[in-house]
Amino acid sequence: QAVVTQEPSLTVSPGGTVTLTCGSSTGAVTSGHYPYWFQQKPGQAPRTLIYDTSNKHSWTPARFSGSLLGGKAALTLSGAQPEDEAEYYCLLSYSGARPVFGGGTKLTVL
Amino acid sequence: EVQLVESGGVVVQPGGSLRLSCAASGFTFDDYTMHWVRQAPGKGLEWVSLISWDGGSTYYADSVKGRFTISRDNSKNSLYLQMNSLRTEDTALYYCAKGVLGLVRGGMDVWGQGTTVTVSS
Repeated sequence: QAVVTQEPSLTVSPGGTVTLTCGSSTGAVTSGHYPYWFQQKPGQAPRTLIYDTSNKHSWTPARFSGSLLGGKAALTLSGAQPEDEAEYYCLLSYSGARPVFGGGTKLTVL
Repeated sequence: EVQLVESGGVVVQPGGSLRLSCAASGFTFDDYTMHWVRQAPGKGLEWVSLISWDGGSTYYADSVKGRFTISRDNSKNSLYLQMNSLRTEDTALYYCAKGVLGLVRGGMDVWGQGTTVTVSS
């Protein structure tokens, strides 16, 4: 089974920009992995932010964006707010229809 | 409004069985793939299983294959997870999640609040 890797932790200043990445042990991440990004705050269920690499839901704040960057999926937060402090997970789909979550990135806004 | 409400989580002994349920509303249930995802205490998300819109295709994580069975009743807008031969490492918060329209692949857009399964003697 593939392993999906994320930075364990990142820190961003209020108003700053940060990029979280999501890599695959099988090689470069492509649009064919249909990358998803989720935000989870303590005691809450996950919330989907980005689907299929770069698409946003109606509830996704405009400051979040998704892309492919250097062979990885990326989530960029531009203009970080205190309420963006959370754990962020990516999800990649592989052939055989068994998706894999990354280990999560703990984002601190400080 | 799309809603997913899980139930059935309890404390069970190792080797025991349990069935989780997820009641769906606010969308055309039988158009969508559905997932179960779990989260052990203090740990990350782990995908568990998915089922196609018509129940004809099911997939499982290696960690639960052969022990868990996913099913759905589209007439009742309900998703289920039958869990057998439970192990202490199955202790987790189990989420039901709405998947992709008509496609059997990963990805979920709406999540329930979860139901807690504790496997302990």
